[in-house]
Amino acid sequence: NAGVTQTPKFQVLKTGQSMTLQCAQDMNHEYMSWYRQDPGMGLRLIHYSVGAGITDQGEVPNGYNVSRSTTEDFPLRLLSAAPSQTSVYFCASSKTEYGYTFGSGTRLTVV
Amino acid sequence: GEDVEQSLFLSVREGDSSVINCTYTDSSSTYLYWYKQEPGAGLQLLTYIFSNMDMKQDQRLTVLLNKKDKHLSLRIADTQTGDSAIYFCAGGNAGNMLTFGGGTRLMVKP
Repeated sequence: NAGVTQTPKFQVLKTGQSMTLQCAQDMNHEYMSWYRQDPGMGLRLIHYSVGAGITDQGEVPNGYNVSRSTTEDFPLRLLSAAPSQTSVYFCASSKTEYGYTFGSGTRLTVV
Repeated sequence: GEDVEQSLFLSVREGDSSVINCTYTDSSSTYLYWYKQEPGAGLQLLTYIFSNMDMKQDQRLTVLLNKKDKHLSLRIADTQTGDSAIYFCAGGNAGNMLTFGGGTRLMVKP
């Protein structure tokens, strides 16, 4: 049981490049979400999904796209990377009231 | 939306108790959570409390919820150096999205 797996762990992008952060969970959780963590600001919700085929925007969705074609996978796409998107990105999944299980994070630097 | 606030920093001596505080604005949160983040790692769920409870104890951890004041606290008994980390409180509804506080950095001195 791997839990929530995020890849890559580290990434450096040039401004304007696009990329996809991968997230997969093997717990059959319905709910999945993406957060970004910036110093002193806690975690902020980017996008979330309550099931396959259903996604919605969180607090800071601009510049990011998501899709949920399967229960297991919830990729986050950066369309045109900007330095303001330099952050640590966490994917999380949840089932009922037991709280979210977080991945180990992707540290992204945009230069 | 929910606003969750925490103090930034707490320093204690090994063996003492630590109390980390959190205030929130949205009384509709069904669950309130405490997460621990060690350096370079993701968030680890420590414990959670249902909004109709006042207290929950789990080994060295005690969560107190004051619904009237919208105040949540996490007490760690017999704090150890391995407890040094950032602690986040978060509010939300079952399966729904969480709103996090900014985190409290706990430093445990030997």
